[in-house]
This record gives sequence, structure tokens and C-alpha cells, in this order.
Amino acid sequence: EVQLVESGGGLVKPGESLRLSCAYSGFRFGELWMTWVRQAPGKGLEWVGRIRDKPNRGATDYAAPVKGRFTMSLDESKNTLFLQMNRLTVDDIGIYFCTTYTSGACLVWGPGTLVAVSS
Amino acid sequence: QSALTQPPSASGSPGQSVTISCSGTSSDIGGYNFVSWYQQHPGKAPKLIISEVDKRPSGVPDRFSGSKSVNTASLTVSGLQAEDEADYYCSSYAGYKLVFGGGTKVTVL
Repeated sequence: EVQLVESGGGLVKPGESLRLSCAYSGFRFGELWMTWVRQAPGKGLEWVGRIRDKPNRGATDYAAPVKGRFTMSLDESKNTLFLQMNRLTVDDIGIYFCTTYTSGACLVWGPGTLVAVSS
Repeated sequence: QSALTQPPSASGSPGQSVTISCSGTSSDIGGYNFVSWYQQHPGKAPKLIISEVDKRPSGVPDRFSGSKSVNTASLTVSGLQAEDEADYYCSSYAGYKLVFGGGTKVTVL
């Protein structure tokens, strides 16, 4: 069974950085693509970015609002996907979900981790 | 502002049907057969209920069905049940990104 668990959320000041983790089990990286999706309080879902599988060399794509500030990476030895978030602003506040991804759909979701930005 | 347009709310009585629309463009919904629908209960993570326009993942009741016409996708929930009360989001592949609708709150009267 595929399972995902995010961690690393917390409260930071504007301009600071945070690294989120997504521990996955039930599959090996290379079999599935993965994405990050966020949800601001009381708002809808927003795609953050995706990392492709091994045949696609783990290439990454990012949404315009985070491109150049956020970076996805993978530690296969720890079965963990990371999201490094730099220069955080109040617009980045929300719950961050990691998901598996195939054929345009986010199949399995983690419970999410909350990111708060405040001075 | 979301890339895809959904009505903010929809409602129906138990046993009735409700249909939610999701309007996009030729760059997303109209350009690919990669439309998905998600159900989200309060305080929970979203759950995939429809992928590739009309495919139901294992375990999703056949009361949920999806369709697409040109640049608009639709989700129909037939035989409404109390547990169907939730927020529903559409999404579409759009080249090197995924776009979402703003969500529709379904109320079971």
C-alpha cells in the first residue's frame, strides 16, 4: 500500500526558509512521479510542482509563483522527497500535501503539513 | 483566481443527482483527456475520485461519474448520500503544470 507522510512545517518569518519532507512507502522512486500541492486557509488547491520518475531523470517543474524559490529533491536511501522553500512570504501560507502523480492525476495524498509565515 | 472555473456551491436532497461543471480552455481541459476530480471533507486531505475524465479509481462508488465536452468537464454525483457532503475540486493537465478549479461545496439537504 502506498503511503505518504509530510513533516517539517512550522512558523517562520517572511524571507526565511523551510524544508518540508515527505516520507513515502509502498513504492520505489522511479515507479511514480510525485507532486506538491498546497492549500491556503479556507481556499482551494494550488499545484506547487512535480518531480518525474527515473526514466525521466527526476526532472522537476514548478508553478510560476514558486519558481526560483522552491526546489524539490529526493533521497532514495531514506525514501524521502524534500521541498526546500526559500524567501517565504505570506502568500506561501497553507497546508502542503505531497502526492503520487500519474496521467495528470494526484493519486495518493499525505495528510499534509502546515506552513505559517508571520513577522 | 483559479485557472479553472467551478460554481462555488451546489446542493441536492438525498437520492437526487447533482452535477458540477468545470470550465477551462483549449490549453488545459480542451487540450488533454487528463481531467481529474477530488473530494475533500473538512480537515482531511483530498481524495481522487475521477481521473482521465471518466475513470474511477478502485473503491470509488459508481455513483460518481465524469465527462468532458470541449473545454468543460463535469462531475455528476447520483443518488446523493449524506457522506457526499464535501468540497469538490477539478483539475487538468496543462502542459508542464497542473491547474485546479476553485472548488464547489456540495450540500446534502
